[in-house]
Amino acid sequence: QVQLVQSGSELKKPGASVKVSCKASGYTFTSYAMNWVRQAPGQGLEWMGWINTNTGNPTYAQGFTGRFVFSLDTSVSTAYLQISSLKAEDTAVYYCAREGDGSGEFDYWGQGTLVTVSS
Amino acid sequence: EIVMTQSPATLSVSPGERATLSCRASQSVSSNLAWYQQKPGQAPRLLIYGASTRATGIPARFSGSGSGTEFTLTISSLQSEDFAVYYCQQYNNWPPFFGPGTKVDIK
Repeated sequence: QVQLVQSGSELKKPGASVKVSCKASGYTFTSYAMNWVRQAPGQGLEWMGWINTNTGNPTYAQGFTGRFVFSLDTSVSTAYLQISSLKAEDTAVYYCAREGDGSGEFDYWGQGTLVTVSS
Repeated sequence: EIVMTQSPATLSVSPGERATLSCRASQSVSSNLAWYQQKPGQAPRLLIYGASTRATGIPARFSGSGSGTEFTLTISSLQSEDFAVYYCQQYNNWPPFFGPGTKVDIK
């Protein structure tokens, strides 16, 4: 069965960096795009962008350029989200989500990774 | 970019009753619309895609309708496990933004 398993919660100080992983299993990793979605405490879902798992080419939503980097390690079927120069407002749950069969819906989601930025 | 709105923000429903949630797009998204359910502390779950197709394993009490700019998610008879927040998302145009959500709580 399809599973996306994300790395555990992180507590970071402002200015530090964090790297969140999303390990996929149960399907051919390079056949489906991977998206990243942010959810700030008590807020809705915010689409951050996606990465083409075949080419490694990332696309970032407005507001997620510069400090946010999507990457892959296809040898272990894992996608990564790295955030640098962390700010308090980056405190959120970050989800990876697989894009469905060419249509655009997000059919499988990771369990989420809470990143807390606090001094 | 396409702006998604959802109404109402909160819907209070008794178990066994019908719930009707609305989603509106600022311009046509054809039938490229999905609905997700999110319970507290959990990841979102895909319910409906293509405006009206139930995702794998989703009970028949969930149904979606609409096209263009107006969409509806109907839960025919609310069960206790259905009290959650529901989000719509368009994926017809980039970026594939979500609506702000409708919280369905117990009346």
